Amino acid sequence: DQQVKQNSPSLSVQEGRISILNCDYTNSMFDYFLWYKKYPAEGPTFLISISSIKDKNEDGRFTVFLNKSAKHLSLHIVPSQPGDSAVYFCAASAPDSWGKLQFGAGTQVVVTP
Amino acid sequence: GAVVSQHPSWVICKSGTSVKIECRSLDFQATTMFWYRQFPKQSLMLMATSNEGSKATYEQGVEKDKFLINHASLTLSTLTVTSAHPEDSSFYICSASPGQYQPQHFGDGTRLSIL
Repeated sequence: DQQVKQNSPSLSVQEGRISILNCDYTNSMFDYFLWYKKYPAEGPTFLISISSIKDKNEDGRFTVFLNKSAKHLSLHIVPSQPGDSAVYFCAASAPDSWGKLQFGAGTQVVVTP
Repeated sequence: GAVVSQHPSWVICKSGTSVKIECRSLDFQATTMFWYRQFPKQSLMLMATSNEGSKATYEQGVEKDKFLINHASLTLSTLTVTSAHPEDSSFYICSASPGQYQPQHFGDGTRLSIL
Protein backbone atom coordinates (compact mmCIF):
# COMPACT_ATOMS: atom_id res chain seq x y z
CA ASP A 1 0.00 0.00 0.00
CA GLN A 2 1.53 3.27 -1.14
CA GLN A 3 1.67 5.55 1.89
CA VAL A 4 3.35 8.42 0.06
CA LYS A 5 1.95 9.50 -3.27
CA GLN A 6 3.17 11.84 -5.94
CA ASN A 7 0.34 11.96 -8.41
CA SER A 8 2.10 14.00 -11.07
CA PRO A 9 4.65 11.87 -12.89
CA SER A 10 6.01 14.86 -14.76
CA LEU A 11 6.16 18.63 -14.70
CA SER A 12 7.43 21.04 -17.32
CA VAL A 13 8.30 24.59 -16.30
CA GLN A 14 9.96 27.52 -17.94
CA GLU A 15 13.32 28.73 -16.67
CA GLY A 16 12.88 31.48 -14.11
CA ARG A 17 9.35 30.45 -13.18
CA ILE A 18 8.22 28.61 -10.08
CA SER A 19 8.12 24.80 -9.91
CA ILE A 20 5.55 23.37 -7.54
CA LEU A 21 5.73 19.68 -6.70
CA ASN A 22 3.04 18.01 -4.65
CA CYS A 23 3.00 15.02 -2.35
CA ASP A 24 0.23 13.38 -0.34
CA TYR A 25 0.51 10.85 2.43
CA THR A 26 -1.90 8.55 4.23
CA ASN A 27 -0.06 7.62 7.43
CA SER A 28 -0.88 10.14 10.16
CA MET A 29 2.09 8.85 12.18
CA PHE A 30 4.59 10.37 9.75
CA ASP A 31 6.38 13.20 11.48
CA TYR A 32 9.40 13.91 9.30
CA PHE A 33 9.29 14.68 5.59
CA LEU A 34 12.04 15.10 3.04
CA TRP A 35 12.52 15.99 -0.60
CA TYR A 36 15.25 14.46 -2.70
CA LYS A 37 16.46 15.18 -6.21
CA LYS A 38 17.79 12.40 -8.39
CA TYR A 39 19.65 12.25 -11.66
CA PRO A 40 19.78 9.01 -13.69
CA ALA A 41 22.33 6.47 -12.46
CA GLU A 42 23.06 8.48 -9.31
CA GLY A 43 21.87 8.27 -5.74
CA PRO A 44 19.27 10.76 -4.51
CA THR A 45 20.54 14.08 -3.22
CA PHE A 46 18.91 15.54 -0.13
CA LEU A 47 17.26 18.92 -0.76
CA ILE A 48 15.19 19.97 2.21
CA SER A 49 13.23 18.51 5.09
CA ILE A 50 10.50 19.51 7.49
CA SER A 51 9.29 18.11 10.78
CA SER A 52 5.62 17.91 11.65
CA ILE A 53 5.91 20.69 14.24
CA LYS A 54 6.44 23.18 11.42
CA ASP A 55 4.39 24.15 8.41
CA LYS A 56 7.13 25.76 6.35
CA ASN A 57 10.85 25.45 5.88
CA GLU A 58 12.93 27.47 3.49
CA ASP A 59 16.44 26.99 2.16
CA GLY A 60 17.56 29.24 -0.65
CA ARG A 61 15.43 28.59 -3.73
CA PHE A 62 13.64 25.66 -2.06
CA THR A 63 10.65 25.95 0.24
CA VAL A 64 8.67 23.05 1.64
CA PHE A 65 5.13 23.53 2.93
CA LEU A 66 3.36 21.02 5.16
CA ASN A 67 -0.40 20.87 5.65
CA LYS A 68 -0.95 18.22 8.30
CA SER A 69 -4.72 18.37 8.25
CA ALA A 70 -4.72 17.66 4.54
CA LYS A 71 -1.77 15.25 4.77
CA HIS A 72 -0.16 17.18 2.00
CA LEU A 73 3.21 18.72 1.38
CA SER A 74 4.66 20.63 -1.48
CA LEU A 75 8.05 21.77 -2.69
CA HIS A 76 8.45 25.15 -4.33
CA ILE A 77 11.51 25.90 -6.40
CA VAL A 78 11.93 29.50 -7.44
CA PRO A 79 13.37 30.56 -9.73
CA SER A 80 13.64 27.29 -11.65
CA GLN A 81 16.93 26.67 -13.41
CA PRO A 82 17.88 24.21 -16.18
CA GLY A 83 20.02 22.28 -13.66
CA ASP A 84 16.87 21.58 -11.68
CA SER A 85 15.74 19.14 -14.36
CA ALA A 86 15.68 15.81 -12.52
CA VAL A 87 13.34 13.41 -10.75
CA TYR A 88 12.13 14.66 -7.38
CA PHE A 89 11.11 12.24 -4.65
CA CYS A 90 9.06 13.00 -1.61
CA ALA A 91 9.77 10.81 1.44
CA ALA A 92 8.40 10.44 4.95
CA SER A 93 9.23 8.61 8.15
CA ALA A 94 7.42 7.76 11.36
CA PRO A 95 8.87 7.91 14.90
CA ASP A 96 8.92 4.16 15.42
CA SER A 97 10.37 3.25 12.05
CA TRP A 98 14.11 3.39 12.84
CA GLY A 99 14.46 6.17 10.27
CA LYS A 100 12.99 4.03 7.49
CA LEU A 101 11.77 6.23 4.66
CA GLN A 102 8.67 5.72 2.56
CA PHE A 103 9.15 7.19 -0.90
CA GLY A 104 6.72 8.53 -3.42
CA ALA A 105 6.93 7.45 -7.03
CA GLY A 106 8.74 10.61 -8.09
CA THR A 107 8.02 13.55 -10.37
CA GLN A 108 10.16 14.21 -13.43
CA VAL A 109 10.80 17.94 -13.71
CA VAL A 110 11.93 19.46 -16.97
CA VAL A 111 13.00 23.09 -16.96
CA THR A 112 12.91 24.60 -20.42
CA PRO A 113 14.88 27.66 -21.53
CA GLY B 1 27.62 17.94 4.60
CA ALA B 2 27.29 14.25 5.35
CA VAL B 3 28.83 11.99 2.75
CA VAL B 4 28.05 8.38 1.95
CA SER B 5 30.38 6.52 -0.37
CA GLN B 6 29.33 3.44 -2.30
CA HIS B 7 31.64 1.12 -4.18
CA PRO B 8 31.82 -0.16 -6.86
CA SER B 9 29.75 2.10 -9.07
CA TRP B 10 29.37 -0.46 -11.85
CA VAL B 11 29.75 -4.23 -11.95
CA ILE B 12 29.37 -6.56 -14.91
CA CYS B 13 29.79 -10.25 -14.20
CA LYS B 14 28.73 -13.70 -15.23
CA SER B 15 25.70 -15.51 -13.90
CA GLY B 16 26.48 -17.44 -10.73
CA THR B 17 29.01 -14.94 -9.43
CA SER B 18 28.64 -13.36 -6.00
CA VAL B 19 29.04 -9.60 -5.89
CA LYS B 20 29.83 -7.47 -2.83
CA ILE B 21 28.84 -3.81 -2.62
CA GLU B 22 30.26 -1.54 0.08
CA CYS B 23 28.58 1.43 1.68
CA ARG B 24 30.59 3.78 3.90
CA SER B 25 29.60 6.82 5.89
CA LEU B 26 32.66 9.04 5.57
CA ASP B 27 32.14 11.74 8.16
CA PHE B 28 29.61 10.36 10.59
CA GLN B 29 28.76 7.14 12.37
CA ALA B 30 25.64 5.26 11.45
CA THR B 31 24.16 2.50 13.56
CA THR B 32 21.60 1.99 10.83
CA MET B 33 22.05 1.93 7.08
CA PHE B 34 19.54 1.11 4.40
CA TRP B 35 19.76 -0.77 1.13
CA TYR B 36 17.48 0.05 -1.79
CA ARG B 37 16.94 -1.26 -5.26
CA GLN B 38 15.64 0.80 -8.13
CA PHE B 39 14.13 -0.60 -11.28
CA PRO B 40 14.02 1.54 -14.43
CA LYS B 41 11.54 4.41 -14.21
CA GLN B 42 10.41 3.33 -10.75
CA SER B 43 10.85 4.58 -7.23
CA LEU B 44 13.35 3.27 -4.73
CA MET B 45 12.35 -0.02 -3.15
CA LEU B 46 13.68 -0.60 0.35
CA MET B 47 15.29 -4.03 0.55
CA ALA B 48 16.63 -4.13 4.09
CA THR B 49 17.72 -2.20 7.13
CA SER B 50 21.30 -2.87 8.15
CA ASN B 51 21.93 -2.70 11.90
CA GLU B 52 25.44 -2.40 13.31
CA GLY B 53 26.33 -5.44 15.37
CA SER B 54 23.12 -7.32 14.72
CA LYS B 55 21.17 -9.01 11.95
CA ALA B 56 19.67 -7.02 9.15
CA THR B 57 15.93 -6.60 8.88
CA TYR B 58 14.60 -7.54 5.47
CA GLU B 59 11.48 -6.21 3.80
CA GLN B 60 8.78 -8.60 2.74
CA GLY B 61 9.65 -10.48 -0.41
CA VAL B 62 13.41 -9.91 -0.18
CA GLU B 63 15.40 -13.14 0.12
CA LYS B 64 17.85 -12.82 2.99
CA ASP B 65 19.95 -15.72 1.71
CA LYS B 66 20.25 -14.08 -1.68
CA PHE B 67 21.09 -10.60 -0.37
CA LEU B 68 23.52 -10.95 2.52
CA ILE B 69 24.05 -7.85 4.61
CA ASN B 70 26.87 -7.27 7.05
CA HIS B 71 27.21 -4.14 9.19
CA ALA B 72 30.44 -4.79 11.04
CA SER B 73 31.27 -1.23 12.02
CA LEU B 74 29.57 2.11 12.53
CA THR B 75 30.81 3.32 9.15
CA LEU B 76 30.54 0.29 6.88
CA SER B 77 27.75 -1.90 5.62
CA THR B 78 28.10 -4.44 2.82
CA LEU B 79 25.52 -6.06 0.57
CA THR B 80 26.49 -9.32 -1.11
CA VAL B 81 24.34 -10.55 -3.96
CA THR B 82 24.99 -14.29 -3.86
CA SER B 83 24.97 -16.45 -6.98
CA ALA B 84 23.67 -13.55 -9.02
CA HIS B 85 21.42 -14.16 -12.00
CA PRO B 86 20.26 -11.83 -14.78
CA GLU B 87 17.07 -10.99 -12.88
CA ASP B 88 19.25 -9.50 -10.12
CA SER B 89 20.52 -6.89 -12.55
CA SER B 90 19.48 -3.55 -11.13
CA PHE B 91 20.60 -0.31 -9.53
CA TYR B 92 21.41 -0.76 -5.85
CA ILE B 93 21.68 2.23 -3.53
CA CYS B 94 22.58 2.55 0.13
CA SER B 95 21.83 5.32 2.58
CA ALA B 96 22.72 6.33 6.09
CA SER B 97 21.70 9.02 8.53
CA PRO B 98 23.69 10.69 11.33
CA GLY B 99 20.67 10.33 13.61
CA GLN B 100 16.93 10.46 14.02
CA TYR B 101 15.25 13.48 12.41
CA GLN B 102 18.33 14.02 10.34
CA PRO B 103 18.18 13.39 6.60
CA GLN B 104 19.38 10.16 5.09
CA HIS B 105 22.24 10.61 2.72
CA PHE B 106 22.63 8.31 -0.23
CA GLY B 107 25.54 6.73 -1.97
CA ASP B 108 25.87 7.17 -5.72
CA GLY B 109 24.54 3.69 -6.36
CA THR B 110 25.89 0.53 -7.96
CA ARG B 111 24.78 -0.57 -11.39
CA LEU B 112 24.84 -4.36 -11.39
CA SER B 113 24.64 -6.17 -14.72
CA ILE B 114 24.59 -9.96 -14.72
CA LEU B 115 25.27 -11.61 -18.07
